[in-house]
Amino acid sequence: QSALTQPASVSGSLGQSIAISCTGTSSDVGAYNHVSWYQQHSGKVPKLIIYDVTERPSGVSTRFSGSKSGNTASLTISGLQAEDEADYHCGSYTTISTYVFGAGTTVTIL
Amino acid sequence: QVQLQESGPGLVKPSETLSLICTVSSGSISPYYWSWVRQPPGKGLEWIAYIHSSGRTNYNPSLKSRVIISVDTSRNQFSLALISVTTADTAVYYCARGYSSTREFELDYWGQGTLVTVSS
Repeated sequence: QSALTQPASVSGSLGQSIAISCTGTSSDVGAYNHVSWYQQHSGKVPKLIIYDVTERPSGVSTRFSGSKSGNTASLTISGLQAEDEADYHCGSYTTISTYVFGAGTTVTIL
Repeated sequence: QVQLQESGPGLVKPSETLSLICTVSSGSISPYYWSWVRQPPGKGLEWIAYIHSSGRTNYNPSLKSRVIISVDTSRNQFSLALISVTTADTAVYYCARGYSSTREFELDYWGQGTLVTVSS
């Protein structure tokens, strides 16, 4: 299984909205609505922020939202804040019942 | 609040076996799915394998031939063994829990991670 494709970096200004893409294939992202997103601050542990494409665990800010079209999922961060500067990783179920992550995207606040 | 803690050697020689244990506290190991995930320095996450408290397992196909995962419900622990390691196995290794009793891959509780370096 190949890693999902994410941009290496995305940047934005405070208050802006940004979107991070996560591209897979019909064997993973396109096959199911089981895409998750994790936020990882530098030197810290990953935190689940989106699952099942659009669902947020309890306590996660509503500024984080997810979507999917075909083989590409997206994470949108609205009203960018300083604490959003982090790495973001997408992950997806696969048709062989395993799991694959993307390489991660670094979000930088300009 | 469930807590997970990885333990094991931080340095392993090439061709030897990497062995880690994850101890779960402030919560039961049943009836959840428990995963191992690794992250090479400066790189993305890689799912290695999971085990359910019942003993059911699932492995990343690219690592399956070298990975053994087991669970000890009496000790609230699960473990990872990765055999015949190379320098490419150098990474921070995390243990993590599935979000609910039916969620295998959505991981809500994570250990702090332990850096394992493969070097002679």
